[in-house]
Amino acid sequence: GAVVSQHPSRVICKSGTSVKIECRSLDFQATTMFWYRQFPKQSLMLMATSNEGSKATYEQGVEKDKFLINHASLTLSTLTVTSAHPEDSSFYICSARDGASGGSQQFFGPGTRLTVL
Amino acid sequence: QKEVEQNSGPLSVPEGAIASLNCTYSDRVSQSFFWYRQYSGKSPELIMSIYSNGDKEDGRFTAQLNKASQYVSLLIRDSQPSDSATYLCAVNPSKSNYQLIWGAGTKLIIKP
Repeated sequence: GAVVSQHPSRVICKSGTSVKIECRSLDFQATTMFWYRQFPKQSLMLMATSNEGSKATYEQGVEKDKFLINHASLTLSTLTVTSAHPEDSSFYICSARDGASGGSQQFFGPGTRLTVL
Repeated sequence: QKEVEQNSGPLSVPEGAIASLNCTYSDRVSQSFFWYRQYSGKSPELIMSIYSNGDKEDGRFTAQLNKASQYVSLLIRDSQPSDSATYLCAVNPSKSNYQLIWGAGTKLIIKP
């Protein structure tokens, strides 16, 4: 149980294009999903928290107009990196919390490696 | 400032020995504590969760929590080369907010 999928696993795009990353909870309802970014040899950095049906809460320093998050259903959240630039190249990871459990443990998707040329 | 601190390592342990990973946290009212394992280039994987003082065992893994001293540790018995990874400590400081506060991780190397 508690499986989270993420698609695509890897994407290479040209500077200025937009990239959409999907995060799905496969066997539970994710009332809360989290989006992280991780640069090489660095720790996880929380970008935003999204609750189903409401606007995402972004961490300080994360541009909400650049990183668009939609959590339209209890099993799907999307992150769109708009007008991507080389400095946006990173490992993007989503996680989900099982609302039915009442707990705070997070289950992670496999991550998306974004390379912007 | 809510903080979770870990020694970055690397911690080198011979195969078959016990690996001991430590984590301290600053928020005294923290409720839930987690250990995640992250292999290079992969996403974190939940290893253990612990919520009350004492020890919790799961196979070769034992989590220990001491709320009075504000530390949580992870012991790995009979360490295997496949245990080589970065171990992340995560703390949920409040029931009303499901965000986790993350440590920077300890890199563990198990030497054959």
